[in-house]
Amino acid sequence: EPEVTQTPSHQVTQMGQEVILRCVPISNHLYFYWYRQILGQKVEFLVSFYNNEISEKSEIFDDQFSVERPDGSNFTLKIRSTKLEDSAMYFCASSDSGDTQYFGPGTRLTVL
Amino acid sequence: RKEVEQDPGPFNVPEGATVAFNCTYSNSASQSFFWYRQDCRKEPKLLMSVYSSGNEDGRFTAQLNRASQYISLLIRDSKLSDSATYLCVVTSLSGSARQLTFGSGTQLTVLP
Repeated sequence: EPEVTQTPSHQVTQMGQEVILRCVPISNHLYFYWYRQILGQKVEFLVSFYNNEISEKSEIFDDQFSVERPDGSNFTLKIRSTKLEDSAMYFCASSDSGDTQYFGPGTRLTVL
Repeated sequence: RKEVEQDPGPFNVPEGATVAFNCTYSNSASQSFFWYRQDCRKEPKLLMSVYSSGNEDGRFTAQLNRASQYISLLIRDSKLSDSATYLCVVTSLSGSARQLTFGSGTQLTVLP
Protein backbone atom coordinates (compact mmCIF):
# COMPACT_ATOMS: atom_id res chain seq x y z
CA GLU A 1 0.00 0.00 0.00
CA PRO A 2 1.49 3.36 -0.99
CA GLU A 3 2.32 5.67 1.87
CA VAL A 4 3.67 9.09 2.66
CA THR A 5 7.24 9.06 3.94
CA GLN A 6 9.08 11.73 5.90
CA THR A 7 12.70 12.34 6.80
CA PRO A 8 14.28 12.72 9.22
CA SER A 9 12.20 11.09 11.92
CA HIS A 10 13.80 13.33 14.54
CA GLN A 11 15.65 16.62 14.05
CA VAL A 12 17.43 18.46 16.83
CA THR A 13 18.59 21.99 16.12
CA GLN A 14 19.78 25.11 17.86
CA MET A 15 17.54 28.15 18.08
CA GLY A 16 18.09 30.43 15.10
CA GLN A 17 19.21 27.64 12.77
CA GLU A 18 17.48 26.72 9.54
CA VAL A 19 15.86 23.31 9.16
CA ILE A 20 14.39 21.54 6.16
CA LEU A 21 11.88 18.78 6.69
CA ARG A 22 11.35 16.42 3.81
CA CYS A 23 8.34 14.50 2.61
CA VAL A 24 7.65 12.13 -0.26
CA PRO A 25 3.90 12.16 -0.91
CA ILE A 26 1.99 9.26 -2.44
CA SER A 27 3.03 9.23 -6.09
CA ASN A 28 -0.24 10.03 -7.90
CA HIS A 29 -1.43 12.60 -5.38
CA LEU A 30 -1.77 16.24 -6.37
CA TYR A 31 -2.51 17.99 -3.07
CA PHE A 32 0.10 18.34 -0.37
CA TYR A 33 -0.09 19.63 3.17
CA TRP A 34 1.94 20.34 6.27
CA TYR A 35 0.47 20.15 9.77
CA ARG A 36 2.10 20.41 13.14
CA GLN A 37 1.27 19.08 16.58
CA ILE A 38 2.85 20.57 19.67
CA LEU A 39 3.18 17.95 22.39
CA GLY A 40 -0.13 17.47 24.17
CA GLN A 41 -2.03 19.73 21.78
CA LYS A 42 -4.17 19.22 18.72
CA VAL A 43 -3.04 18.87 15.14
CA GLU A 44 -2.91 22.27 13.42
CA PHE A 45 -2.97 23.10 9.72
CA LEU A 46 0.04 24.99 8.38
CA VAL A 47 -0.18 25.09 4.59
CA SER A 48 -1.68 23.42 1.53
CA PHE A 49 0.00 23.18 -1.86
CA TYR A 50 -1.50 22.43 -5.25
CA ASN A 51 -0.40 22.94 -8.81
CA ASN A 52 3.04 24.10 -7.71
CA GLU A 53 1.82 26.90 -5.51
CA ILE A 54 0.52 27.53 -2.02
CA SER A 55 -3.24 27.14 -1.93
CA GLU A 56 -3.83 28.27 1.63
CA LYS A 57 -1.78 28.98 4.74
CA SER A 58 -2.62 29.48 8.39
CA GLU A 59 -1.58 32.26 10.74
CA ILE A 60 1.15 29.99 12.05
CA PHE A 61 2.77 29.87 8.61
CA ASP A 62 4.57 33.21 8.79
CA ASP A 63 7.57 34.50 6.84
CA GLN A 64 9.87 32.07 8.66
CA PHE A 65 8.21 29.16 6.86
CA SER A 66 8.37 28.18 3.22
CA VAL A 67 7.45 25.14 1.16
CA GLU A 68 8.85 23.80 -2.04
CA ARG A 69 8.38 20.93 -4.43
CA PRO A 70 11.91 20.85 -5.86
CA ASP A 71 11.32 17.83 -8.08
CA GLY A 72 8.55 15.43 -9.01
CA SER A 73 8.59 13.55 -5.75
CA ASN A 74 9.77 15.62 -2.78
CA PHE A 75 7.82 18.21 -0.83
CA THR A 76 9.78 20.22 1.72
CA LEU A 77 9.06 22.53 4.64
CA LYS A 78 11.77 25.02 5.53
CA ILE A 79 11.93 26.97 8.77
CA ARG A 80 14.44 29.75 8.30
CA SER A 81 15.30 30.71 11.85
CA THR A 82 13.91 28.26 14.36
CA LYS A 83 12.42 29.35 17.66
CA LEU A 84 11.89 27.31 20.80
CA GLU A 85 8.15 27.31 20.16
CA ASP A 86 8.68 25.61 16.80
CA SER A 87 9.37 22.37 18.67
CA ALA A 88 6.62 20.00 17.57
CA MET A 89 5.76 17.00 15.41
CA TYR A 90 5.46 18.05 11.79
CA PHE A 91 3.23 15.90 9.63
CA CYS A 92 3.12 15.91 5.87
CA ALA A 93 -0.08 14.73 4.18
CA SER A 94 -1.16 14.17 0.62
CA SER A 95 -4.42 13.65 -1.22
CA ASP A 96 -5.52 12.75 -4.72
CA SER A 97 -8.84 14.57 -4.56
CA GLY A 98 -8.13 17.28 -2.05
CA ASP A 99 -10.51 15.55 0.34
CA THR A 100 -9.26 12.43 2.13
CA GLN A 101 -5.72 13.08 3.32
CA TYR A 102 -3.09 10.51 4.23
CA PHE A 103 -0.44 11.39 6.75
CA GLY A 104 3.24 10.57 6.93
CA PRO A 105 4.84 9.32 10.16
CA GLY A 106 6.02 12.80 11.09
CA THR A 107 9.27 14.53 11.96
CA ARG A 108 9.84 15.40 15.58
CA LEU A 109 11.58 18.77 15.67
CA THR A 110 13.34 19.77 18.87
CA VAL A 111 14.71 23.30 19.08
CA LEU A 112 17.23 23.87 21.86
CA ARG B 1 -15.95 28.84 20.52
CA LYS B 2 -13.70 26.01 19.36
CA GLU B 3 -14.10 25.08 15.71
CA VAL B 4 -14.29 21.36 16.48
CA GLU B 5 -15.19 20.29 19.97
CA GLN B 6 -15.05 16.76 21.32
CA ASP B 7 -15.92 14.89 24.50
CA PRO B 8 -13.17 15.67 27.00
CA GLY B 9 -12.47 12.03 27.91
CA PRO B 10 -10.53 10.03 28.83
CA PHE B 11 -12.72 6.97 28.40
CA ASN B 12 -11.65 3.82 30.18
CA VAL B 13 -13.83 0.86 29.23
CA PRO B 14 -13.63 -2.92 29.63
CA GLU B 15 -13.04 -5.15 26.64
CA GLY B 16 -16.29 -5.89 24.87
CA ALA B 17 -17.97 -2.65 25.90
CA THR B 18 -19.72 -0.25 23.57
CA VAL B 19 -18.45 3.31 23.64
CA ALA B 20 -19.70 6.45 21.91
CA PHE B 21 -17.87 9.65 21.10
CA ASN B 22 -19.49 12.94 20.21
CA CYS B 23 -18.25 15.95 18.34
CA THR B 24 -19.67 19.32 17.35
CA TYR B 25 -18.35 21.75 14.76
CA SER B 26 -18.97 25.46 14.44
CA ASN B 27 -18.47 26.12 10.72
CA SER B 28 -21.74 25.41 8.92
CA ALA B 29 -19.87 25.55 5.60
CA SER B 30 -17.80 22.48 6.53
CA GLN B 31 -17.93 20.02 3.71
CA SER B 32 -16.43 16.70 4.69
CA PHE B 33 -16.22 14.88 7.97
CA PHE B 34 -13.93 12.18 9.25
CA TRP B 35 -12.82 10.23 12.26
CA TYR B 36 -9.08 9.65 12.54
CA ARG B 37 -7.32 7.68 15.22
CA GLN B 38 -3.94 8.59 16.61
CA ASP B 39 -1.73 6.29 18.63
CA CYS B 40 0.74 7.81 21.04
CA ARG B 41 3.41 9.83 19.19
CA LYS B 42 2.22 8.54 15.80
CA GLU B 43 0.53 10.14 12.84
CA PRO B 44 -3.25 10.46 12.53
CA LYS B 45 -4.69 7.56 10.55
CA LEU B 46 -8.00 7.73 8.76
CA LEU B 47 -10.58 5.57 10.49
CA MET B 48 -13.63 6.44 8.42
CA SER B 49 -15.47 9.16 6.57
CA VAL B 50 -18.80 10.31 7.98
CA TYR B 51 -21.97 10.79 5.94
CA SER B 52 -25.43 12.11 6.74
CA SER B 53 -26.90 8.73 5.90
CA GLY B 54 -24.68 7.13 8.49
CA ASN B 55 -22.05 4.57 7.70
CA GLU B 56 -20.73 1.45 9.26
CA ASP B 57 -17.38 -0.30 9.02
CA GLY B 58 -17.34 -3.50 11.03
CA ARG B 59 -17.62 -2.57 14.68
CA PHE B 60 -17.53 1.17 13.94
CA THR B 61 -20.55 3.30 13.11
CA ALA B 62 -20.38 7.00 12.31
CA GLN B 63 -23.20 9.48 12.01
CA LEU B 64 -23.47 13.08 10.88
CA ASN B 65 -26.27 15.51 11.68
CA ARG B 66 -25.71 18.60 9.56
CA ALA B 67 -28.63 20.52 11.09
CA SER B 68 -27.16 20.12 14.59
CA GLN B 69 -23.56 20.22 13.36
CA TYR B 70 -22.95 17.06 15.30
CA ILE B 71 -20.85 13.98 14.53
CA SER B 72 -20.72 10.71 16.43
CA LEU B 73 -18.68 7.54 16.48
CA LEU B 74 -19.87 4.30 18.04
CA ILE B 75 -17.48 1.45 18.73
CA ARG B 76 -19.06 -1.90 19.54
CA ASP B 77 -17.33 -4.87 21.17
CA SER B 78 -14.23 -2.86 22.09
CA LYS B 79 -10.85 -4.52 21.63
CA LEU B 80 -7.61 -3.77 23.43
CA SER B 81 -6.25 -2.59 20.07
CA ASP B 82 -8.91 0.13 19.93
CA SER B 83 -7.00 2.03 22.63
CA ALA B 84 -5.99 5.31 21.00
CA THR B 85 -6.99 8.94 20.71
CA TYR B 86 -9.93 9.50 18.39
CA LEU B 87 -9.89 12.71 16.41
CA CYS B 88 -12.95 14.36 14.96
CA VAL B 89 -11.97 16.15 11.76
CA VAL B 90 -13.85 18.46 9.41
CA THR B 91 -12.77 20.07 6.18
CA SER B 92 -13.46 23.41 4.64
CA LEU B 93 -12.60 24.36 1.11
CA SER B 94 -9.68 26.75 1.11
CA GLY B 95 -8.37 27.73 -2.26
CA SER B 96 -7.97 24.63 -4.39
CA ALA B 97 -7.39 22.27 -1.49
CA ARG B 98 -9.27 21.28 1.62
CA GLN B 99 -7.92 22.20 4.99
CA LEU B 100 -8.46 19.74 7.82
CA THR B 101 -9.55 21.14 11.16
CA PHE B 102 -8.95 18.77 14.04
CA GLY B 103 -10.63 18.43 17.37
CA SER B 104 -8.45 17.96 20.42
CA GLY B 105 -9.23 14.26 20.49
CA THR B 106 -10.77 11.87 22.96
CA GLN B 107 -8.53 9.30 24.56
CA LEU B 108 -9.86 5.76 24.78
CA THR B 109 -8.30 3.02 26.87
CA VAL B 110 -9.79 -0.46 26.60
CA LEU B 111 -8.99 -2.49 29.67
CA PRO B 112 -8.57 -6.29 29.80
